[in-house]
Amino acid sequence: GAVVSQHPSRVICKSGTSVKIECRSLDFQATTMFWYRQFPKQSLMLMATSNEGSKATYEQGVEKDKFLINHASLTLSTLTVTSAHPEDSSFYICSYRGDTEAFFGQGTRLTVV
Amino acid sequence: DAKTTQPPSMDCAEGRAANLPCNHSTISGNEYVYWYRQIHSQGPQYIIHGLKNNETNEMASLIITEDRKSSTLILPHATLRDTAVYYCIVRVYNQGGKLIFGQGTELSVKP
Repeated sequence: GAVVSQHPSRVICKSGTSVKIECRSLDFQATTMFWYRQFPKQSLMLMATSNEGSKATYEQGVEKDKFLINHASLTLSTLTVTSAHPEDSSFYICSYRGDTEAFFGQGTRLTVV
Repeated sequence: DAKTTQPPSMDCAEGRAANLPCNHSTISGNEYVYWYRQIHSQGPQYIIHGLKNNETNEMASLIITEDRKSSTLILPHATLRDTAVYYCIVRVYNQGGKLIFGQGTELSVKP
């Protein structure tokens, strides 16, 4: 199946700084990627849909100026958490939707201190 | 997409079959049943999907009732590594777009 590589797997940052998470499709071209966030003991919540060469589409309640998504190529989508605060600490996961199934990155554990 | 209902948690003894139920009473004719699982601190993993016939692959079997209002995922010989949260999702086949996750069933396989 398709391989989605997400980096870093975990990151700790200071409050007020920005963090970039990369999501690469290793063996396919992804015109659309999805970004999820998951808090402890909760399900995955869709944050936004990343479209190659165009603006991302954000779900209701997700601040587009805080969670910057860039999808400049068919193999790379990035999520930047700007001015991170402790409440942004979470598990972030990217995903590619194939013809029959979805493929997910390994996830990034972000801790803001 | 149709809504699904799953029990929040289940236990299973190692080596026994794990049967995970899912209710999807509002499923429409062109919607498939998909199952994913998420092992702790990892991204979700696809398991299996089906429309109305029972399906089997190397990971699991999927049993869908004749009226398609419910289904059961069967892990025939559960191992400790099968401990995970299992998500049942109803979705139109071969349709791009976002995947919405419910709360899933937390399966604990015990020795």
